Parts: sequence; C-alpha cells; structure tokens
Amino acid sequence: DAGVIQSPRHEVTEMGQEVTLRCKPISGHNSLFWYRQTMMRGLELLIYFNNNVPIDDSGMPEDRFSAKMPNASFSTLKIQPSEPRDSAVYFCASSFSPNGEQFFGPGTRLTVL
Amino acid sequence: GQQLNQSPQSMFIQEGEDVSMNCTSSSIFNTWLWYKQDPGEGPVLLIALYKAGELTSNGRLTAQFGITRKDSFLNISASIPSDVGIYFCAGRKTSYDKVIFGPGTSLSVIP
Repeated sequence: DAGVIQSPRHEVTEMGQEVTLRCKPISGHNSLFWYRQTMMRGLELLIYFNNNVPIDDSGMPEDRFSAKMPNASFSTLKIQPSEPRDSAVYFCASSFSPNGEQFFGPGTRLTVL
Repeated sequence: GQQLNQSPQSMFIQEGEDVSMNCTSSSIFNTWLWYKQDPGEGPVLLIALYKAGELTSNGRLTAQFGITRKDSFLNISASIPSDVGIYFCAGRKTSYDKVIFGPGTSLSVIP
C-alpha cells in the first residue's frame, strides 16, 4: 500500500519565489498535518486539516504561508514570497482521525537561496 | 517554543549494548509517543503510551509512561546497526491538543 506521498522531494529556489509543496495522504485517512523540521526548532506542527477543513493553523509562521486541502486526496503548502529562513524539511502526515496514529511522508527538503 | 526536553542529545554506543533515553516536560501529558526517524525519511511511530505507569514493548524496544505524567523513557536492548537514527518523543496534553515533539536523541551504533 502506498504511504503518504510528497512532492517534490527536493526544492531549491531563490528568495522571493513562490514555492508549492504537495501531499497525497493515505487513502481513507481523514486528517492531514503539515510539519516543518529544522535543526534549531525541531519538528513543528504548522497546520492540520480534518475532513478537508483547516482545524488549527496556529503554527503557521506568518502570512507568507498558506495551506489548502481541496479534496480528501490532495493538499498543498504554499510559501509566497519565500525567504532563506524558510529552508527546512517539510513533512506531511495523515491519520484516520485527529488523535490517531500519524503516518509521515518522506518530506520535502526546501532550500531558499 | 518546544515544551519537551530529551536526553541525551546524542549517543554513540557499541553494537550489542543497551540504550536508555528519556523525555521530560514541565506540563502533564495524557499521551506519550516515541518515533524513530531514519536519514532522509519521515518519523515512524514505535510505541504509544496512554496511561501513567504503563510499560509497553515493541520487540527490543520498551517504553514507559512516567507516573508523574511529566516524563517518559525508551530503552533499546541489544542494539544493532539498524537502530541508528533520531528518536523523538512526542506528547499530547489532552485528547484535544496537538502533538508536541521533543528535539530528538541521535543514536549512532558502532559495529
């Protein structure tokens, strides 16, 4: 069975450019989570959705970050404009419910020059 | 900022040795989780704990939910090279709160 799928796996972009990260959750999972991992701050929850509805976006750093989940099988995390301090590994995870076991994708390593 | 502390920050051990690591919080949690992250991959759940004092095993791994509800411990017996990775503890204060991750313990196993 396919796990959580993320694309791209690596992204290198220049400061000021728009970046879009994509996630396909495990089929049947109703909750989707976006995390950011850095050496300084560790693994941080940015936002999570339940049944395609954003439930908690308190971890979204600032207005440059936005996330959408147009349907149960797809979500995007967009950064516009990107800045060097956004460089990190971004993980998507999904679960059957908000409190259920979260299955993580392989992550997208973002480098903003 | 992070509310969980993990120690040690990193470990270098000989293959076959046992490993102990812990996680502490200033707040009470009702759920403790232990994840392992391999290089270039996302974290994978190893053990989940839901009750103070609970002791749960998963193969060579054993984790305990501290009785104070402010800490948890993970032990790995007879380490092998594939145990290498970063071990994260995570916790949830209530069933309605989001999961908070610790900073991780990096484990290196010397063959």
